[in-house]
Amino acid sequence: NAGVTQTPKFRVLKTGQSMTLLCAQDMNHEYMYWYRQDPGMGLRLIHYSVGEGTTAKGEVPDGYNVSRLKKQNFLLGLESAAPSQTSVYFCASSPGLAGGLKGENIQYFGAGTRLSVL
Amino acid sequence: QQPVQSPQAVILREGEDAVINCSSSKALYSVHWYRQKHGEAPVFLMILLKGGEQKGHDKISASFNEKKQQSSLYLTASQLSYSGTYFCGTEGSWAAGNKLTFGGGTRVLVKP
Repeated sequence: NAGVTQTPKFRVLKTGQSMTLLCAQDMNHEYMYWYRQDPGMGLRLIHYSVGEGTTAKGEVPDGYNVSRLKKQNFLLGLESAAPSQTSVYFCASSPGLAGGLKGENIQYFGAGTRLSVL
Repeated sequence: QQPVQSPQAVILREGEDAVINCSSSKALYSVHWYRQKHGEAPVFLMILLKGGEQKGHDKISASFNEKKQQSSLYLTASQLSYSGTYFCGTEGSWAAGNKLTFGGGTRVLVKP
């Protein structure tokens, strides 16, 4: 049981380049999330999805786009990378309203993608 | 609004106890606690729900004071494996999205 898998694990981009981060989960979870974590700081929500075909903005959505074409996958895109987007990106998934025992909608995290934009 | 964690860092000797606090200015439905080791993903520890019980896992337990909108994480008889950064994540309501707002983290170092 792999849980939440993120690819790639590391990436270096030049300013202005584009890339897509892939998140895949095998737990049949409804909800999926993308966070960024800057050094010495907590997690900030970029975008999230409450089901296949749906996406919504989080706390820091500017400069990012997402898609959830399949329930198990959640893609994060950077159209024109900037040095301010250098960070560690984490994907997470949770059962959603339909799942979760006693309303405990626990989020499970992937191992992260370390992105540097030069 | 981001919850406030205190202290920002704590150094312990093996066997000592510590308390980490997480305070919110908004009414909360739940508080989630995670531990993250350096270079790794956050790992879920426990969840406290409004109206729920105090939770415990091994020698780590937590409580939720609904009146104060504050949760506390208790590390009892700390072990070397307890080292890491502890984050609280707060949820304002049981609504679509289960969006968590995370605190800035508390760094815990347990020394032999």
